[in-house]
Amino acid sequence: NAGVTQTPKFRVLKTGQSMTLLCAQDMNHEYMYWYRQDPGMGLRLIHYSVGEGTTAKGEVPDGYNVSRLKKQNFLLGLESAAPSQTSVYFCASGVALDEQYFGPGTRLTVT
Amino acid sequence: GDSVTQMEGPVTLSEEAFLTINCTYTATGYPSLFWYVQYPGEGLQLLLKATKADDKGSNKGFEATYRKETTSFHLEKGSVQVSDSAVYFCALSDRVTNAGKSTFGDGTTLTVKP
Repeated sequence: NAGVTQTPKFRVLKTGQSMTLLCAQDMNHEYMYWYRQDPGMGLRLIHYSVGEGTTAKGEVPDGYNVSRLKKQNFLLGLESAAPSQTSVYFCASGVALDEQYFGPGTRLTVT
Repeated sequence: GDSVTQMEGPVTLSEEAFLTINCTYTATGYPSLFWYVQYPGEGLQLLLKATKADDKGSNKGFEATYRKETTSFHLEKGSVQVSDSAVYFCALSDRVTNAGKSTFGDGTTLTVKP
């Protein structure tokens, strides 16, 4: 099993550009999450999904959109990137009340 | 709402020293508690967990006991190694307010020197 994979691993964007981050899991988990990690800020939840076709806002959803068209995939979109969105993005999956399984992260720089 | 408070870092220890990283929590319901570890350049991975009061989670020489009376889940290791250098996150998942989410502490950076 590959677990949780993220694509791409690194990306540099110019302000105003758009991009989509892909997260895939092969563990048949219902729940999937997108977090951002910034120095001194810990992990902050952006959006999450409790099942195929559902999404919900987390702690810091502004400037991001998500979709969960297939159970195994969770996409994070940035429509108009801003320097404040420079961060490391982690995807995770899991089952309710149990541990989460994290991907290796995507390092995004917006110039 | 739920919250997790971790001991502030960074923590620097010599090899073979005893480690304690404090974690306290507030939760509405009956949470499961977790410690995750993040090695440089990687995602978080589960280190250990406990699902009810007085449970002890253990893995790789690390231990933590779920203390309901003090709302704590402190991480301990008797003898740290250089390879334990990482960021450690305490987290909870609350069955009452969960909505499928976990609450994470801010992380504690541990550096172990030879």
